[in-house]
Amino acid sequence: DTGVSQDPRHKITKRGQNVTFRCDPISEHNRLYWYRQTLGQGPEFLTYFQNEAQLEKSRLLSDRFSAERPKGSFSTLEIQRTEQGDSAMYLCASSFSSGGYTDTQYFGPGTRLTVL
Amino acid sequence: QQPVQSPQAVILREGEDAVINCSSSKALYSVHWYRQKHGEAPIFLMILLKGGEQKGHDKISASFNEKKQQSSLYLTASQLSYSGTYFCGTEILESGGGADGLTFGKGTHLIIQP
Repeated sequence: DTGVSQDPRHKITKRGQNVTFRCDPISEHNRLYWYRQTLGQGPEFLTYFQNEAQLEKSRLLSDRFSAERPKGSFSTLEIQRTEQGDSAMYLCASSFSSGGYTDTQYFGPGTRLTVL
Repeated sequence: QQPVQSPQAVILREGEDAVINCSSSKALYSVHWYRQKHGEAPIFLMILLKGGEQKGHDKISASFNEKKQQSSLYLTASQLSYSGTYFCGTEILESGGGADGLTFGKGTHLIIQP
């Protein structure tokens, strides 16, 4: 078990550019979550997938953000027309759920985005 | 809806004990505790479900007071490796538990000095 991995670990971009991040969950996990963390704050929930279905989105997820998990394995998070306020650490977490019970979410190392 | 953690920061000598609290204004289904070191992923510590259970492993334990909607994390005989920021993540009862994202507090910074 290699844990949750994320790529890239760091991304610097100019305002207005599009960026895409990738998350590879723990292999047997059926749920995948995206969070955003800014300095001095706890992670903030963005969205989550059950297999390939996107089941919940936070109101933090503006229309510039889109997430996919096409085959129920890895996931991508795309931010279009980046703004300086998008600068943050983007964390991915995965879990296994057999349904009906709270599950343990395991986090990846994150992608740190800096928008200049 | 964001849980409130206290204290914001703690400085201890190695071997001393610490208590970190997490309070919610909403009825909680579960509380999840994580530790995060600078630049690293949050590491899962434990989950507590409604019902007032208490859990622990090694010298770290936690309790969940369902009536007060409060959870406490206890670190006994702290070690240098315990340094980091501790976050509680909560699921509110009306969400039914399970598949929702966690709502995290702002964290408690713990510094252990030799």
